[in-house]
Amino acid sequence: DQQVKQNSPSLSVQEGRISILNCDYTNSMFDYFLWYKKYPAEGPTFLISISSIKDKNEDGRFTVFLNKSAKHLSLHIVPSQPGDSAVYFCAATRGSNYKLTFGKGTLLTVNP
Amino acid sequence: EPEVTQTPSHQVTQMGQEVILRCVPISNHLYFYWYRQILGQKVEFLVSFYNNEISEKSEIFDDQFSVERPDGSNFTLKIRSTKLEDSAMYFCASSLDTEAFFGQGTRLTVV
Repeated sequence: DQQVKQNSPSLSVQEGRISILNCDYTNSMFDYFLWYKKYPAEGPTFLISISSIKDKNEDGRFTVFLNKSAKHLSLHIVPSQPGDSAVYFCAATRGSNYKLTFGKGTLLTVNP
Repeated sequence: EPEVTQTPSHQVTQMGQEVILRCVPISNHLYFYWYRQILGQKVEFLVSFYNNEISEKSEIFDDQFSVERPDGSNFTLKIRSTKLEDSAMYFCASSLDTEAFFGQGTRLTVV
């Protein structure tokens, strides 16, 4: 039961260009969405989040867009840097329990 | 910067043995979680803990599993009789609300 889907297992971009990571969800009860970054042999690191009442949230080089009608969100990284190379997980939560439902992740490679 | 710490970083155990994975959440956080990631698969929720009791658990979290917060700082996951398929990275996390902070993980290998 894939409630959160990341359909691209990998993405490769050039340094300085924009990286766009996509995520779709099926559960309309989700009310908060998060992006995590994960390096090998480390735990997920929180990156940025967005409430379902917003359609955009920006933090430095990172912007998350939410399209509720399409049940779609995306993470934009601009400009991309080689240090951004990692697996990016989309996650969603609902209600006050705060349990996270993760997508399978997208491996981003930023080439110098 | 406060962080979630997990010990050990790697645990190898014989099938059928009990293991205890330990975590020290961020001190002022209220919600505590265990997640796991089997190699090549996604991060899966196991259990959440709030106000000294389990608030939600997944289908994976069967009678073999238990959690405890024995004192004000530690949060443990016990697997009573490990199976080969329990081999995974286990992540502890804590939060004040929606944004959970994860530890580095414990790699559990059941042989």
